[in-house]
Amino acid sequence: KNEVEQSPQNLTAQEGEFITINCSYSVGISALHWLQQHPGGGIVSLFMLSSGKKKHGRLIATINIQEKHSSLHITASHPRDSAVYICAVRSRGNLIFGKGTKLSVKP
Amino acid sequence: NAGVTQTPKFQVLKTGQSMTLQCAQDMNHEYMSWYRQDPGMGLRLIHYSVGAGITDQGEVPNGYNVSRSTTEDFPLRLLSAAPSQTSVYFCASSYSNGWGVDYGYTFGSGTRLTVV
Repeated sequence: KNEVEQSPQNLTAQEGEFITINCSYSVGISALHWLQQHPGGGIVSLFMLSSGKKKHGRLIATINIQEKHSSLHITASHPRDSAVYICAVRSRGNLIFGKGTKLSVKP
Repeated sequence: NAGVTQTPKFQVLKTGQSMTLQCAQDMNHEYMSWYRQDPGMGLRLIHYSVGAGITDQGEVPNGYNVSRSTTEDFPLRLLSAAPSQTSVYFCASSYSNGWGVDYGYTFGSGTRLTVV
């Protein structure tokens, strides 16, 4: 069983829709990271969480430490949000990655 | 611009050849790491370093070698390339204050390697 599981694997949405991507993990962590990978391949860090909730523009990330679960929400989605979103947890000093969620937002 | 610089962006190797992927950061980050990304799999840790002169193996270290002679540079060496090493490679760095406090990661732009 993978230590970091993301769902869904693929997601297609219409522009303007509210989007949720989920991440569950099975190991002890010091922090959880949400990353974005655009079709060009580069990886950008969106959030780092150890508790609670963070918001940046239309993106919101939450984490429930007791349930070992995090969600990434995108409000008012836009085609430029199309990318792969990756959940990663820092455990025993290194990152363990989920397989990613490929999001496609149609105009 | 501050960040992580990876070179080359693309490389084709023949089986058995050796090469070095370069990674440099100018943020004075102690922690540096190399990952490979394969279709249908999450990024996997190859090697990492918590400071100059200190390196350790990750999940998939076989066939790769690293060294960390300076804080800035963390090259990844493929000793004898094999088709199974065809992948996209990412270098990343992070600040570490030695107290276990987590900070964000900065990733390089990636190297797409094909071994034929």
